[in-house]
Amino acid sequence: GAVVSQHPSWVICKSGTSVKIECRSLDFQATTMFWYRQFPKQSLMLMATSNEGSKATYEQGVEKDKFLINHASLTLSTLTVTSAHPEDSSFYICSARRGALSYEQYFGPGTRLTVT
Amino acid sequence: AQKVTQAQTEISVVEKEDVTLDCVYETRDTTYYLFWYKQPPSGELVFLIRRNSFDEQNEISGRYSWNFQKSTSSFNFTITASQVVDSAVYFCALSEVNTGNQFYFGTGTSLTVIP
Repeated sequence: GAVVSQHPSWVICKSGTSVKIECRSLDFQATTMFWYRQFPKQSLMLMATSNEGSKATYEQGVEKDKFLINHASLTLSTLTVTSAHPEDSSFYICSARRGALSYEQYFGPGTRLTVT
Repeated sequence: AQKVTQAQTEISVVEKEDVTLDCVYETRDTTYYLFWYKQPPSGELVFLIRRNSFDEQNEISGRYSWNFQKSTSSFNFTITASQVVDSAVYFCALSEVNTGNQFYFGTGTSLTVIP
């Protein structure tokens, strides 16, 4: 149990275009989902926290208008990178939490984004 | 301030050697959780262990063992008789109840096991 999927697993897009990444909890309802970014040989950096039905909370330094997060249902959150630039190329990982106070986070397999 | 410190950036060992990965954390919470994850080249995080702040008992799982010491705020991870398949980046993470159980990751230790 507690499986989180991400789609796509990798994507290449041209500079200036937008790309959407989906994060799904397959066998549980996730009240909270998190989005992380990981640059090569670096740690995971939390970008934002999204709660179902409400606006996402972004970490300091993360552009809200560039990284649009939607958590429309208890099993799906999406991250849209708008007007992507090469510096947005990174590994994006989502995680999902069952309950608001749960300490468990279940991580997706990640999405590798390359912007050319 | 860094909440989780993994001072070892890269470690190389020869196969069958034992290796210990260090993790030091910082928190003012009395209730918190500590985790270790393995990240192989594929990128997917593999959960290894979770410990809560009230359980200082050391744990062994096969070739893996963990030493949790609140007195030194450390949660070290030892792999005995290392194997090539253990080569990966290992992350230690902290989750604090008072910050809504947000995860704080260390910078990771890249382990290479040489055959």
